[in-house]
Amino acid sequence: ETGVTQTPRHLVMGMTNKKSLKCEQHLGHNAMYWYKQSAKKPLELMFVYSLEERVENNSVPSRFSPECPNSSHLFLHLHTLQPEDSALYLCASSQGGTGYEQYFGPGTRLTVT
Amino acid sequence: AQSVTQPDIHITVSEGASLELRCNYSYGATPYLFWYVQSPGQGLQLLLKYFSGDTLVQGIKGFEAEFKRSQSSFNLRKPSVHWSDAAEYFCAVGTSNDYKLSFGAGTTVTVRA
Repeated sequence: ETGVTQTPRHLVMGMTNKKSLKCEQHLGHNAMYWYKQSAKKPLELMFVYSLEERVENNSVPSRFSPECPNSSHLFLHLHTLQPEDSALYLCASSQGGTGYEQYFGPGTRLTVT
Repeated sequence: AQSVTQPDIHITVSEGASLELRCNYSYGATPYLFWYVQSPGQGLQLLLKYFSGDTLVQGIKGFEAEFKRSQSSFNLRKPSVHWSDAAEYFCAVGTSNDYKLSFGAGTTVTVRA
């Protein structure tokens, strides 16, 4: 595997379900990010981890819970979501933080029913 | 806080014609500037970046962009578009102070034969 991978690519879940999104980066980077991409809206930064510590939490509802067990893996745990949470969730990584370009995974298309 | 404006929501261009996508940013100091491209169902791919130095930067796939401090702009250009350039293009600005990249709302490019 190369670059940034995300699984699953598509996910349909009910509002009472619990699911997790997984991201893995194979680039040796030390910062990882979760973004939400909704139709007709700019990308929204959700969380940033640097060296496995959370350095940014952009006022995201508690029904989204991130986890970064090591510098290569990032998870987004989901529970009791709302239909408006349906979106493309993108993971990214970078070498260092400020000013470094970010490399993105293909995203997980989430539909909440 | 920094911000990005992409004035054109949608551009249609003929194959072989030139393309220019506009990007204006707001930030008090020297920004880090990026252009990304997103094909349907995919993540974002970095086209090019500007950190410092030469204000005309070359990227992948034959794209270039010019940083104009006086106009707070970082417009993307391609002399001759190919059908495969049909995608959504995002301009982003980062700073030396934090991990955030602020993205514009994107410009969708349609290429007609």
